[in-house]
Amino acid sequence: DTGVSQDPRHKITKRGQNVTFRCDPISEHNRLYWYRQTLGQGPEFLTYFQNEAQLEKSRLLSDRFSAERPKGSFSTLEIQRTEQGDSAMYLCASSLEGPHEQYFGPGTRLTVT
Amino acid sequence: QQQVKQSPQSLIVQKGGISIINCAYENTAFDYFPWYQQFPGKGPALLIAIRPDVSEKKEGRFTISFNKSAKQFSLHIMDSQPGDSATYFCALRLTGGGNKLTFGTGTQLKVEL
Repeated sequence: DTGVSQDPRHKITKRGQNVTFRCDPISEHNRLYWYRQTLGQGPEFLTYFQNEAQLEKSRLLSDRFSAERPKGSFSTLEIQRTEQGDSAMYLCASSLEGPHEQYFGPGTRLTVT
Repeated sequence: QQQVKQSPQSLIVQKGGISIINCAYENTAFDYFPWYQQFPGKGPALLIAIRPDVSEKKEGRFTISFNKSAKQFSLHIMDSQPGDSATYFCALRLTGGGNKLTFGTGTQLKVEL
């Protein structure tokens, strides 16, 4: 399977803990996007990378969130000091550079208790 | 602010019927209008997309109708099947916006036998 993969698929954590998610994009895609989806809503853009450069961050991405793509391949999204409001599905997508279709991974569902 | 309004929130259609989902947007600077299908526990999957220089695009049972002057576009699913039961999201891409997508709130479609 050469699609976008995400790990873990589910994460349950206690409030105040740090969590890290990983995304592996489609291998030839140099753009990688993170979105957040809460129950009953559409995905909301968080940030995106072109190769290893983080080109844009949404205002939704508070200081507790950090994303990296160190070698321009996989990416990690870390949430520090998790809050209950962080509970959501975190989706990763990838695309070729330019106006090309985005392909989504299965998501990581985070539950903060 | 909400840049795209999607309706209805939920839809029940009989097998073989036509499902119609509508989206309306405000900003005219969008250049790409995809529809995504999402099954429970999965990431969104690209279904069909249209660019504003055409008024209609058909792929199999799925058709997008686009009205640029009214700033509206819709998804029509012909001969709806139980396997089409899913949540559908319209999305928009801002011209020059780094290919990030703005999604509607989703329509939960149920196709009954």
